[in-house]
Amino acid sequence: KQEVTQIPAALSVPEGENLVLNCSFTDSAIYNLQWFRQDPGKGLTSLLLIQSSQREQTSGRLNASLDKSSGRSTLYIAASQPGDSATYLCAVEVGAGGTSYGKLTFGQGTILTVHP
Amino acid sequence: DVKVTQSSRYLVKRTGEKVFLECVQDMDHENMFWYRQDPGLGLRLIYFSYDVKMKEKGDIPEGYSVSREKKERFSLILESASTNQTSMYLCASSLGVVLGSRWGTEAFFGQGTRLTVV
Repeated sequence: KQEVTQIPAALSVPEGENLVLNCSFTDSAIYNLQWFRQDPGKGLTSLLLIQSSQREQTSGRLNASLDKSSGRSTLYIAASQPGDSATYLCAVEVGAGGTSYGKLTFGQGTILTVHP
Repeated sequence: DVKVTQSSRYLVKRTGEKVFLECVQDMDHENMFWYRQDPGLGLRLIYFSYDVKMKEKGDIPEGYSVSREKKERFSLILESASTNQTSMYLCASSLGVVLGSRWGTEAFFGQGTRLTVV
């Protein structure tokens, strides 16, 4: 069974710092990996999607990498801002032949606080 | 812009009531999902649907059922609400892929429904 782990569980940094969030998964047979952001009491906002054949994706100050063989992904946030404070979740779509129908397995998330 | 809309942000229901949570997407997506999110347990899949009238159990289907009569709408039903179903419920949708494809698709989530059963 696929397991997804995120470290650290919580992170507090001063504004302006570059930071890295980590995600690992136990089964490398994935279709894709997706990073989400969740503000308190709200739904999930998709940040980046990396297909299994890709190595990285970038959007603005965010860069996500994927090393499928080692079962790892990182989310890099450049020049962090207080508005980046949220919970960041990674999720993998598992597949081993056939189709997964888009089912996701989530990590527990990293709670990020960026203080002014 | 992609949109998944859940009918309620907050709900308070009594034990034993039948509860309906509604979700609508406007992206013509084939796949739709219901997850619940609890502190310490993360997000867990309750049910999903990959086509109209098709449904599959997720990891924690007990006490729930679903309905998908139209492509854009996916309903979660709590047959007889219990206090252990107090949770944040999240609906999501994604585009279907060709059978056997190695490419997955991006999932989009609604704003969540905070359900309290008293």
